[in-house]
Amino acid sequence: EAGVAQSPRYKIIEKRQSVAFWCNPISGHATLYWYQQILGQGPKLLIQFQNNGVVDDSQLPKDRFSAERLKGVDSTLKIQPAKLEDSAVYLCASSPQGTREAFFGQGTRLTVV
Amino acid sequence: GDSVTQMEGPVTLSEEAFLTINCTYTATGYPSLFWYVQYPGEGLQLLLKATKADDKGSNKGFEATYRKETTSFHLEKGSVQVSDSAVYFCALNEQGAQKLVFGQGTRLTINP
Repeated sequence: EAGVAQSPRYKIIEKRQSVAFWCNPISGHATLYWYQQILGQGPKLLIQFQNNGVVDDSQLPKDRFSAERLKGVDSTLKIQPAKLEDSAVYLCASSPQGTREAFFGQGTRLTVV
Repeated sequence: GDSVTQMEGPVTLSEEAFLTINCTYTATGYPSLFWYVQYPGEGLQLLLKATKADDKGSNKGFEATYRKETTSFHLEKGSVQVSDSAVYFCALNEQGAQKLVFGQGTRLTINP
């Protein structure tokens, strides 16, 4: 079974530029998450989708971050404009319906300079 | 809100030593508890889980027991190997919700 796919693996941008990350969850998984992991910290939930609806986006900085999950499958997370403090690893994860465990992709390491 | 606290790292041990990484949590209701492991350059992998009080999760020689009375889920392994070097995250998932709340992680290094 294929795992959660993310791209790109690495991205370096200048502050105030925009960037987008892509995630393809495990086939059939209804729930998709985006987490932000700052160096030396545990992952923090940014947004959670159930199919193509948003369940929780309470910690998403909505003035600069946006995310969508079209057709309940792939998802894109965008940052515009980026700030230095956005440097982190962005992890996508998915869960099957009715379970509590999440399966993670390898992440995208973003460096804002 | 819900939270998870792990022992401070980094932890450095010799091969075949006994490992304990402490984890305590704060939650309303009855959470499920997890340990995830992150090897260098990789994403998080589920190591083990427990869904109710007194359950013991185990995998690859690692064990953790869900202790409701002490709100703890300490990770243990009797004899560590160099290949166990990684960052370990304790996490909870509140009943009725699906999002994971993570601790800050504990970096483990095993020397030959």
